[in-house]
Amino acid sequence: AQSVAQPEDQVNVAEGNPLTVKCTYSVSGNPYLFWYVQYPNRGLQFLLKYITGDNLVKGSYGFEAEFNKSQTSFHLKKPSALVSDSALYFCAVRDAKGSGNTGKLIFGQGTTLQVKP
Amino acid sequence: DTEVTQTPKHLVMGMTNKKSLKCEQHMGHRAMYWYKQKAKKPPELMFVYSYEKLSINESVPSRFSPECPNSSLLNLHLHALQPEDSALYLCASSYRDRGLMNTEAFFGQGTRLTVV
Repeated sequence: AQSVAQPEDQVNVAEGNPLTVKCTYSVSGNPYLFWYVQYPNRGLQFLLKYITGDNLVKGSYGFEAEFNKSQTSFHLKKPSALVSDSALYFCAVRDAKGSGNTGKLIFGQGTTLQVKP
Repeated sequence: DTEVTQTPKHLVMGMTNKKSLKCEQHMGHRAMYWYKQKAKKPPELMFVYSYEKLSINESVPSRFSPECPNSSLLNLHLHALQPEDSALYLCASSYRDRGLMNTEAFFGQGTRLTVV
């Protein structure tokens, strides 16, 4: 079964410092990996995805993620954190199974990012 | 237009009420989803519609009844809910084709439902 794990419930970083939010995955077949961000009382916003190709994926708002097949990881990164980046971050993988190949998203438990001034 | 619009934003309903949540998108997406999310937890899939047909029901209680009247609209009809059904209900959509596995889902802002 497909799954993703986010080992940290919360990550704290000072504004201006680099940030990393960790995600590891377990899939059969090719991984289709996604990062979403959720601000309080809002829906999820798509940040970036890995399908194939370059291991470094660039996304919205200056975020990027590094796909590492040998470590089965897909960590989210940003060179310089902003206070406004404080939010809940979800890693997700497409499930290869499902009726009609609808590929439902399977989410990690989420990591709260706190960026302090 | 890359928006998924959900109405209402907030809803308070009694356990004997009947209400409906609405979702609309004009991106030409043919897969639409309902998710339920509790505070600080990941979204849990409830239903998937593919080409206006229900393709996945994640063993959701019958007091939740989805409907997809056309390719742009998705409804969730609510009846005789319990207080534990209080949550953020999220609608999402994505492309539905052979390449579906690599397409992201776009989420609405959600309906905050409180059952009293």
